[in-house]
Amino acid sequence: TQLLEQSPQFLSIQEGENLTVYCNSSSVFSSLQWYRQEPGEGPVLLVTVVTGGEVKKLKRLTFQFGDARKDSSLHITAAQPGDTGLYLCAGVKVWTGANNLFFGTGTRLTVIP
Amino acid sequence: EAGVVQSPRYKIIEKKQPVAFWCNPISGHNTLYWYLQNLGQGPELLIRYENEEAVDDSQLPKDRFSAERLKGVDSTLKIQPAELGDSAVYLCASSTGGPTDTQYFGPGTRLTVL
Repeated sequence: TQLLEQSPQFLSIQEGENLTVYCNSSSVFSSLQWYRQEPGEGPVLLVTVVTGGEVKKLKRLTFQFGDARKDSSLHITAAQPGDTGLYLCAGVKVWTGANNLFFGTGTRLTVIP
Repeated sequence: EAGVVQSPRYKIIEKKQPVAFWCNPISGHNTLYWYLQNLGQGPELLIRYENEEAVDDSQLPKDRFSAERLKGVDSTLKIQPAELGDSAVYLCASSTGGPTDTQYFGPGTRLTVL
C-alpha cells in the first residue's frame, strides 16, 4: 500500500506542450522528493522541497510543495522527448535517524516528437 | 565516483527455486536500502541497514526473504523459495545516513519467476 497517489498514471503529449503531475496524500511529510526513472535504471533525484508552499524551478520543471506538506505538483513547460520517463514523488518521514521514503504510484510520461 | 552496483541485472528462475541478489554501495555510504518495485509502480522499502545492523526490516516477508550485510559494505538479498508474485525489480540504494542525506539507487535486478 502506497501512501502517495499520483495522477495521471499515464500521460502522452506532443513535444512543446505543457503538463502537470499531481502527488497527493493524507499524510504529512517532513519533505517531498521528485525522481525520474529511465527504463532499466534506478530512480534519480530531481529535487527536494522542504517548506510548505515552497516552489523550486529546475530549468523547465517547476515543483511545488503544498502548504500543509501533504501534496505536491510537478509542472513541465514545453516538454521535450528527453523528458520521457517514469516520474515518482516520494514523501520523506524521518525516524530512527534516517530518511524513510514513501514513493508514489508513479506517472509514466511519453513526449512524442 | 562509481555508483551503486547490483548483480545480476536480470534473473529468470522457476517457482520454488532460490535466488540471491548482490549490492555494492557507493564507497563510504554506511546506510543501505533494499526496495521492491513492481511494474509501473513506485519502489517499496524492504529493509534498511546502518552498517551491519538491520534497523528497519518491518516490510521484509521473513518467511521467504532474508538479507545480510556482514561487513557493513556489500549486501545480499535472498528469496527461498521464490513465488510467481515475487517477479519484480529489486533495487538497492545507499546513502551517507542522517535525516538530510540523499539516497542513490542502483540499476536494479529484474526477477522473473516462471
